[in-house]
Amino acid sequence: DAGITQSPRHKVTETGTPVTLRCHQTENHRYMYWYRQDPGHGLRLIHYSYGVKDTDKGEVSDGYSVSRSKTEDFLLTLESATSSQTSVYFCAISAGFFMGEQYFGPGTRLTVT
Amino acid sequence: AQSVTQLGSHVSVSEGALVLLRCNYSSSVPPYLFWYVQYPNQGLQLLLKYTSAATLVKGINDFEAEFKKSETSFHLTKPSAHMSDAAEYFCAVSDNNQGGKLIFGQGTELSVKP
Repeated sequence: DAGITQSPRHKVTETGTPVTLRCHQTENHRYMYWYRQDPGHGLRLIHYSYGVKDTDKGEVSDGYSVSRSKTEDFLLTLESATSSQTSVYFCAISAGFFMGEQYFGPGTRLTVT
Repeated sequence: AQSVTQLGSHVSVSEGALVLLRCNYSSSVPPYLFWYVQYPNQGLQLLLKYTSAATLVKGINDFEAEFKKSETSFHLTKPSAHMSDAAEYFCAVSDNNQGGKLIFGQGTELSVKP
């Protein structure tokens, strides 16, 4: 298995509070991604990174920000959590660009009450 | 923009029967295609990928998929289902024009009856 960990694995928070999810990899892969998974929607890309300090938006980036200060860590922040952000969040990594498959972490289940 | 459609959100088969999960894609350029499997409460695992080397792609656990350009399809098959195959399956296409990001289908949940 690819060395990807996510923390926390489960979190319950209240509406309006900030939340940060962490993704850590030991593979030294250049590309990292944050997805959210919701029933009936598959996985949707929130943000991705193509190198340290290099990030870009995905299709559902509103309300989320990311940072990558080291190759191995990619942080996802919900500045002010809303109930619509209740979801399962997955981090993924990839060594390649166009052809490289992505390897996924175990996920973080976030509930916003 | 590229997109992926998986036909059938739920598929149920008997143990030992053929598994067929359907995936159609839209792409203006030759795509890279993937099938992933997700077991309950786990992340996604790569089953197989198509990168234009061969139209019939073999993956793990006896799964295979055939790329058919004329039908814009990449259906996943397995000759004989096992109980352990019960999971959710996702088809994905690589968005070559936007940094190799993956576009996922909605997923198909496979149930296997004894």
